[in-house]
Amino acid sequence: GENVEQHPSTLSVQEGDSAVIKCTYSDSASNYFPWYKQELGKRPQLIIDIRSNVGEKKDQRIAVTLNKTAKHFSLHITETQPEDSAVYFCAAYYNQGGKLIFGQGTELSVKP
Amino acid sequence: KAGVTQTPRYLIKTRGQQVTLSCSPISGHRSVSWYQQTPGQGLQFLFEYFSETQRNKGNFPGRFSGRQFSNSRSEMNVSTLELGDSALYLCASSSEGAPIIVNEQFFGPGTRLTVL
Repeated sequence: GENVEQHPSTLSVQEGDSAVIKCTYSDSASNYFPWYKQELGKRPQLIIDIRSNVGEKKDQRIAVTLNKTAKHFSLHITETQPEDSAVYFCAAYYNQGGKLIFGQGTELSVKP
Repeated sequence: KAGVTQTPRYLIKTRGQQVTLSCSPISGHRSVSWYQQTPGQGLQFLFEYFSETQRNKGNFPGRFSGRQFSNSRSEMNVSTLELGDSALYLCASSSEGAPIIVNEQFFGPGTRLTVL
């Protein structure tokens, strides 16, 4: 069925460290994988996305990798800052249903 | 361009009542999706509208319905409210394409619904 598993559910790092969040999807036909950041009381905002014809994408301190064979994709944040603290959601686009299925979210806390 | 807007921002209802929420997409966007966000279930897809037609639907009961108007504005309706319907309801708009090309979804601020 349609499912996206996201781990860990909470992540605490020291400022300057790296953070990695991992997701697994179930539909091999999925071709679009966005990552959203949601700060407390605010709307989710796209931070980076990747399509299935690309294995890795980077935007400054943020990178996403995709392993289609294993149906895994991961978010990497380097040199974390306190303002990176938020809930991060991964998602996979299911072509059959034409919808985005979200992971359960990871609450990232960056301690100064 | 103005972002996605939703009204009202907060709503308190009692069990058994019905509610209508509104979403205005970014100008030019024809696809509007609705999601329910709760602490326990995360973000769950409700349905998606494109050019006034419901293209996709999630696994929610028939009490949840929606529609889209010719100007792409969308409404969702929940009838016979239950306590478990308390949630943040988010809509998102995108420019085009699905299912051939899926583009970034831009979220609105949400409507916080509380059912007493």
